[in-house]
Amino acid sequence: DTAVSQTPKYLVTQMGNDKSIKCEQNLGHDTMYWYKQDSKKFLKIMFSYNNKELIINETVPNRFSPKSPDKAHLNLHINSLELGDSAVYFCASSRTLRETTGELFFGEGSRLTVL
Amino acid sequence: GQNIDQPTEMTATEGAIVQINCTYQTSGFNGLFWYQQHAGEAPTFLSYNVLDGLEEKGRFSSFLSRSKGYSYLLLKELQMKDSASYLCASLDSNYQLIWGAGTKLIIKP
Repeated sequence: DTAVSQTPKYLVTQMGNDKSIKCEQNLGHDTMYWYKQDSKKFLKIMFSYNNKELIINETVPNRFSPKSPDKAHLNLHINSLELGDSAVYFCASSRTLRETTGELFFGEGSRLTVL
Repeated sequence: GQNIDQPTEMTATEGAIVQINCTYQTSGFNGLFWYQQHAGEAPTFLSYNVLDGLEEKGRFSSFLSRSKGYSYLLLKELQMKDSASYLCASLDSNYQLIWGAGTKLIIKP
């Protein structure tokens, strides 16, 4: 069974469209994250949710809106897509926010290409 | 500001040993992580250090010096499958992970 699963794995779309990426974890973790990894391979935190509450909201455009219907799911909706949004988006989870080891479990990533 | 530095790329020979260095400057410190990321795949956890010294785990070892803001990942008996990017990340005082850009390790036969 996949621990952290996200869909779709690949997404190709036109500028200006709206798209969503879904994430689910079956590890019973309290905290979930969205990361963006661009072509330079930096992993940048976008959002973190702890028990369905937003904990971190880094400086990302408000075109990006996370939604957490329950602590096992964290979806990412993106409005009015731009070329610069092309990247791999990783969902991740950890047991708690103040985890002593902080080990993250990552999903397989969703490669978004905006044309 | 917060910063993680690691070499962009390294090359090593199958069967050899390689050391990947990482220096960090973060607001507070709650530990240093190493993750492995194969091309096109998700990062996977390798090690966590919060106390000074060497932690050994099979062919991989990780070292931390808190006073120097320095860590390294040591890979022994290199195998072709070790070709990957190795990401260093520091957990700051707010328990946020600050990531380096990763070191691409190329293993040659």
